[in-house]
Formats: sequence, C-alpha cells, structure tokens
Amino acid sequence: DAMVIQNPRYQVTQFGKPVTLSCSQTLNHNVMYWYQQKSSQAPKLLFHYYDKDFNNEADTPDNFQSRRPNTSFCFLDIRSPGLGDAAMYLCATSRDLVLAGGQETQYFGPGTRLLVL
Amino acid sequence: KQEVTQIPAALSVPEGENLVLNCSFTDSAIYNLQWFRQDPGKGLTSLLLIQSSQREQTSGRLNASLDKSSGRSTLYIAASQPGDSATYLCAVVLIGGSEKLVFGKGTKLTVNP
Repeated sequence: DAMVIQNPRYQVTQFGKPVTLSCSQTLNHNVMYWYQQKSSQAPKLLFHYYDKDFNNEADTPDNFQSRRPNTSFCFLDIRSPGLGDAAMYLCATSRDLVLAGGQETQYFGPGTRLLVL
Repeated sequence: KQEVTQIPAALSVPEGENLVLNCSFTDSAIYNLQWFRQDPGKGLTSLLLIQSSQREQTSGRLNASLDKSSGRSTLYIAASQPGDSATYLCAVVLIGGSEKLVFGKGTKLTVNP
C-alpha cells in the first residue's frame, strides 16, 4: 500500500547529541512536510520541500535542519537537541502545493516520538 | 495571525449518540479547511477536506460544514461508536501565507460502550 513511513517510531537521545529522523513515501508526492507536535498541543509546521525547493518557517529554530536527497526520502536533523525539543515529529506529504488548486490533502506518517535525556 | 480554536477540548458520549465538534478560525481568507483524526501516539488521518468555495462535505457517518464568513466549521458524527474515540483536529490553510496547515489543539472524543 502507498504510504508515508517514519523511522524510528521512538527515538531517545541525549541532551546536545545530534539526532536524525527519517521519512519515506511511496506516494510519489511532490511536497514533503515536517511538523512538531508537543503534548496536548497542535502540530506546528517546521518546514516543507516542494520537490528540491526548501521552505523554512520563520519561527523554526536554527537547530532544526532538513534534507531531501530524492523524491522518496526526507530527513529531519536536530543538531543539538534540548529538553524542549522532546515531542512527536510528524512527516506529511501532498501531491502538490495547496496554492495549485486548494484541494490538496496532506497524508501523515505515524510520527516519531523523540525523548531527550 | 490565524488562530484556530476547538471547543470543547474533551467530550464523552454514550455509544449511538449523534454529536457535533466545533472549530473556529479568526481569518476567513482560507484556501480550505480539513478535519483530521489522531489516535493516541499516532499520526493524523485526513477525514474531510472542504474547499473555501464549498459549504459541506460528507463521508459515511461524518459530515463537515464550513461557514467561511463567520469563521466556523462543524464536524457532525452520526451514531457514534467506541471506535470513533480519538482526538479530532481541524486545520486551515491561509491565503497569502505559506503552505502550512494551521491546526487547532483538537477535541478528545471518548465514546463509551
């Protein structure tokens, strides 16, 4: 089945130790998104890629970086995780940009829960 | 700044009851509004997408309405079942903004057998 896959489902890291979360998709969608969701909070967009074009949200900390080496994969790198970065990280895809027609649904992966010790 | 509010934060109903979840947003210049379902510790599943030009969308026992001028949307669930227990989030995409979905915090629904 076509889907959005996130690995690992749970990630434990140490304060200040770099960590990478991965996302892959079999939908062949052009757009990939990374969201951060803290406990009982709304998901918050960190950045998105349209094909190879990277779009960073203005309030995304510099500590968060992303790479998209090809259509199928997208990575979230946290250079120096702090205790406040503990959250669920959600990857999503959409076939095209919303601006292209307003009809685009985003398909979410199961998320990676990050714990910072 | 677009703000999305969902009331109530939590709702508990007996099985079989019809129920309505509410979503309000402050800026009516939106491309679309979506309702999502999130099970504990899981990702989001899209339930319904309503474009700004539409008034409602239906899927099975779910019906979502949109009143853009008043900044409101409702999600109606008919004949609720225990399997409907989850957190329901609404989200809008703002015209003139980036691609981001602006989410509410969600309503946690519990349907009791």
